[in-house]
Amino acid sequence: GAGVSQTPSNKVTEKGKYVELRCDPISGHTALYWYRQSLGQGPEFLIYFQGTGAADDSGLPNDRFFAVRPEGSVSTLKIQRTERGDSAVYLCASSLLSVGRGRGDEQFFGPGTRLTVL
Amino acid sequence: TQLLEQSPQFLSIQEGENLTVYCNSSSVFSSLQWYRQEPGEGPVLLVTVVTGGEVKKLKRLTFQFGDARKDSSLHITAAQTGDTGLYLCAGAKGGSEKLVFGKGTKLTVNP
Repeated sequence: GAGVSQTPSNKVTEKGKYVELRCDPISGHTALYWYRQSLGQGPEFLIYFQGTGAADDSGLPNDRFFAVRPEGSVSTLKIQRTERGDSAVYLCASSLLSVGRGRGDEQFFGPGTRLTVL
Repeated sequence: TQLLEQSPQFLSIQEGENLTVYCNSSSVFSSLQWYRQEPGEGPVLLVTVVTGGEVKKLKRLTFQFGDARKDSSLHITAAQTGDTGLYLCAGAKGGSEKLVFGKGTKLTVNP
């Protein structure tokens, strides 16, 4: 399929461990977004990339969270020293955004990675 | 503090009934989007509204953006079991591409 793909679909880890979550956006989409969705909540913005650079990382909760997009396509969200409170579904979205219009361009979401920290 | 308040949080109705879901805020948004999410999947965009007072129709779904661009509603006519899902509203503020989501309305349409 040509949609956004995320791997792994499920990740179980122990408190204090390091995890990496991967996102493959739709081919040609220049913008990539990471959100986190806790049970019973709507998605919460983490970070947004335009090309290779992080255009807005204001949603990252603390310095344990870091994301990269080195070649402007695939992105990896990295979480260090995981805590039980990090358990959530991590959603990635991409959009065909060539010029920022400040209107939240149409974003296509992947199925998410369910992270469980024991 | 939730920037976007959705109501009701849960809604269970019979097939054929009509319903309205609300999304309210004290903030002004440059656009507001409605998504539908099913278990184990990411949200899927239904509509984007950008002009105050705008009304958009998508088959049995009618979306309205408030005149002041602070609130929106989603009305479903003659609900079907296939409409079951989590309906999320999300707003974008001027100059920003990030979306602020509400908590969602979980709709169950019973046969």
